[in-house]
Amino acid sequence: AQRVTQPEKLLSVFKGAPVELKCNYSYSGSPELFWYVQYSRQRLQLLLRHISRESIKGFTADLNKGETSFHLKKPFAQEEDSAMYYCALSDGETSGSRLTFGEGTQLTVNP
Amino acid sequence: DAGVIQSPRHEVTEMGQEVTLRCKPISGHDYLFWYRQTMMRGLELLIYFNNNVPIDDSGMPEDRFSAKMPNASFSTLKIQPSEPRDSAVYFCASSFRWANAEAFFGQGTRLTVV
Repeated sequence: AQRVTQPEKLLSVFKGAPVELKCNYSYSGSPELFWYVQYSRQRLQLLLRHISRESIKGFTADLNKGETSFHLKKPFAQEEDSAMYYCALSDGETSGSRLTFGEGTQLTVNP
Repeated sequence: DAGVIQSPRHEVTEMGQEVTLRCKPISGHDYLFWYRQTMMRGLELLIYFNNNVPIDDSGMPEDRFSAKMPNASFSTLKIQPSEPRDSAVYFCASSFRWANAEAFFGQGTRLTVV
């Protein structure tokens, strides 16, 4: 069974400080991993996916298969980064593309 | 396309009543997901459909929950009878068929059962 774990429910940093949101997964196959973000009063939306190897809004995430992790990082946090962040895993190898989310981390960036 | 549309946005009902949540996915998407969001458990997958067929309903908490997708443009999630512990935000999402496809979410329905 697949599982996504985000160990921190709440994370608070000051503006300009580095931020890292942790995500660990368990899955026997080759996973597709994502980070989704939910800003206040907005719908959940995709932030980035590991296959694209992209940087979005200064955020990056590297898939570490040895540690089964997909941590989200940003070197200098901004106040507008305050939001709920969800790590997600898709198991495209089965007959259905099941998308499983972690518990979420509420990031607060203080001025 | 207006994106994934859910209705109602807010629902307050009394315990024991039937509740029906509705979702219109993005046209052309193959997958439709129903999630429940709570502070304690985050986003839980309840059920998902592929081409209108339910694939996995193992996340549906009890027999009180049921979901249907009669056609490619409409899905319902029904709770009968509702209980206070069902209070949560329910999200519908849709996506294309490939594994790295982006899931597009609706605005959610905030359900309060009193």
